[in-house]
Amino acid sequence: GNSVTQMEGPVTLSEEAFLTINCTYTATGYPSLFWYVQYPGEGLQLLLKATKADDKGSNKGFEATYRKETTSFHLEKGSVQVSDSAVYFCALTRRNTGKLIFGQGTTLQVKP
Amino acid sequence: DGGITQSPKYLFRKEGQNVTLSCEQNLNHDAMYWYRQDPGQGLRLIYYSQIVNDFQKGDIAEGYSVSREKKESFPLTVTSAQKNPTAFYLCASSEGGTYSEKLFFGSGTQLSVL
Repeated sequence: GNSVTQMEGPVTLSEEAFLTINCTYTATGYPSLFWYVQYPGEGLQLLLKATKADDKGSNKGFEATYRKETTSFHLEKGSVQVSDSAVYFCALTRRNTGKLIFGQGTTLQVKP
Repeated sequence: DGGITQSPKYLFRKEGQNVTLSCEQNLNHDAMYWYRQDPGQGLRLIYYSQIVNDFQKGDIAEGYSVSREKKESFPLTVTSAQKNPTAFYLCASSEGGTYSEKLFFGSGTQLSVL
């Protein structure tokens, strides 16, 4: 079946460090891929998405490239800020439904 | 401002009690969803509704019930049959039915058992 696997957290970085959060997926067909972010005490917000192979989603300095050959959608940011501290969820759509399947989430803590 | 409102923010349930979580949206979205979030497990789909007066079970519907009598409202009832209800519950909506890929989320309700 379809599934999403993210790297274990928490990830702790100093401000201005480079961020990578790994995400790999298993899916039939050609899913769309997403990163959602959850700030403390809030719901999830869409951060970026990619709908086909080799697409790069980007927003707020974050980027992720849809890699079909490695079934991956790793999230990257060149220089993190304390305000980026949150839980990040990788997700994909189920084929023919549009409903999302989420990974388990990765907590990012950025220290000044 | 348009958005999704969940209430209450915190809720406590006694043994054998049913409780209802409220979800209201003013985005004029057709589809609405309920997810359960447990630490380290991500989000799991409980129920979803594509249109008024219609809803379907998600992956973990046992012990829960919903209704969709109005487009803007999708309340979730956690029944006494749900033996492990402590979790963070998130309501979401999307435009264009369940084939829309962008979900808008509420700020969640934390349910705990007394």
